[in-house]
Amino acid sequence: DIQMTQSPSSLSASVGDRVTISCQASQDIGHYVSWYQHKPGKAPRLLIYDASRLEEGVPSRFSGSRSGTDFTFSISSLQPEDFATYSCQQYDKRPLTFGGGTKVEIK
Amino acid sequence: EVHLVESGGGLVQPGGSLRLSCAISGFSFDDYGMSWVRQAPAKGLEWVSSMTSGGSTDYADSAEGRFTISRDKSKSTLYLQMNSLRGDDTAVYYCAKDRLGVPGPDALDVWGPGTAVTVSS
Repeated sequence: DIQMTQSPSSLSASVGDRVTISCQASQDIGHYVSWYQHKPGKAPRLLIYDASRLEEGVPSRFSGSRSGTDFTFSISSLQPEDFATYSCQQYDKRPLTFGGGTKVEIK
Repeated sequence: EVHLVESGGGLVQPGGSLRLSCAISGFSFDDYGMSWVRQAPAKGLEWVSSMTSGGSTDYADSAEGRFTISRDKSKSTLYLQMNSLRGDDTAVYYCAKDRLGVPGPDALDVWGPGTAVTVSS
């Protein structure tokens, strides 16, 4: 199975800060990575697919990039509604696998 | 508008069974694959099972032989039959829709709010 190693597991940030989260794949998976936002009691939300493509309706402060097997997710200016958990997922091969998640908390 | 709603979760004893349902609207099973994904307490998301638009199924090793994914097109409902439940099956279970109508693995563009399963005596 392909392992997705996500870091950090949590971070504290303030409104307006830039936030960066990383995922490293255990093998080459091309650009087949998505990023999700999830909040307790709510449906997870797809933000980014194909490593860097913004899902329709998602604000442009969210972005993703790829360098080889390293994937980065960023929020350019953190908003109050962005405090949540973010997870990466690879969909190059089954089984689908997720990173461990990053909880973004208020500093 | 595409919408998913899970139901059927609850408290069950170890060794017991439970059937989860996922009611869909706004799209057809004939066009998109579906998956079940779970999140155990204080853990990350874990893929459980998928069914392609053509009806092919796939399972995580942890679910193989115990869980069965199925669908009823007439009822627009996806199911996950879970047997021989264990404590480590305790989780919130989500159903999710493939972003594209392709046979292979895909990003999941619409999710339900989840249904909680607790396996405990």
